[in-house]
Amino acid sequence: QVQLQESGPGLVKPSETLSLTCTVSGGFIRNYYWSWIRQPPGKGLEWIGYIYYSGVTNYNPSLKSRVTISLDTPKNQFSLNLSSVTAADTAVYFCARVGYYGSGTYPTFDYWGQGALVTVSS
Amino acid sequence: DIQMTQSPSSLSASVGDRVTITCRASQSIASYLNWYQQKPGRAPNLLIYAASRLQSGVPSRFSGSASGTDFTLTIASLQPEDFATYYCQQSYSIPFTFGPGTKVDNK
Repeated sequence: QVQLQESGPGLVKPSETLSLTCTVSGGFIRNYYWSWIRQPPGKGLEWIGYIYYSGVTNYNPSLKSRVTISLDTPKNQFSLNLSSVTAADTAVYFCARVGYYGSGTYPTFDYWGQGALVTVSS
Repeated sequence: DIQMTQSPSSLSASVGDRVTITCRASQSIASYLNWYQQKPGRAPNLLIYAASRLQSGVPSRFSGSASGTDFTLTIASLQPEDFATYYCQQSYSIPFTFGPGTKVDNK
């Protein structure tokens, strides 16, 4: 059973960089896309971006100028960096696997971490 | 970006009720529509993919259907563990986008 676990600071100062790591266990990073999704308190879900095991990335245009997602295959981890944060970046950040279903046609978020609350405040 | 809307934003229902939630895409997304259930303090859980296909392990009282850019999630007979918020999500094009959610609570 694939499991994901987010880790990183729970408090970040405005204008600084938010950094989170997702550790994948029970499976390998190889052959999958891996994603970050966030949810401000009491609000809906926003897709941040994904990385393929080859290193190819794709980001939400709304965050693209501030986001970097990277991979550490030997450690079975992937990471999120979000620069120049403001209070609007306060959210629960989820890491998730992008699983393809229906003979590899339909992308879904099929495995999720429990989420990490990151608060932006001085 | 493809915009996803959901209706209603919330509903009150009783155990045993039939519940229907609607999701609409701002443009054609074929069948690239997923449904998730989220309970407070938990990550979302995939219920349905490709508009109507049940994820493994999900009870058969959940079903999905599609008509053009309109999608429906139906819970045939609401159970106590089904009180939660439900999100639709399109995976047709980047950026992937979610609907605003529908909260189902106990009447």
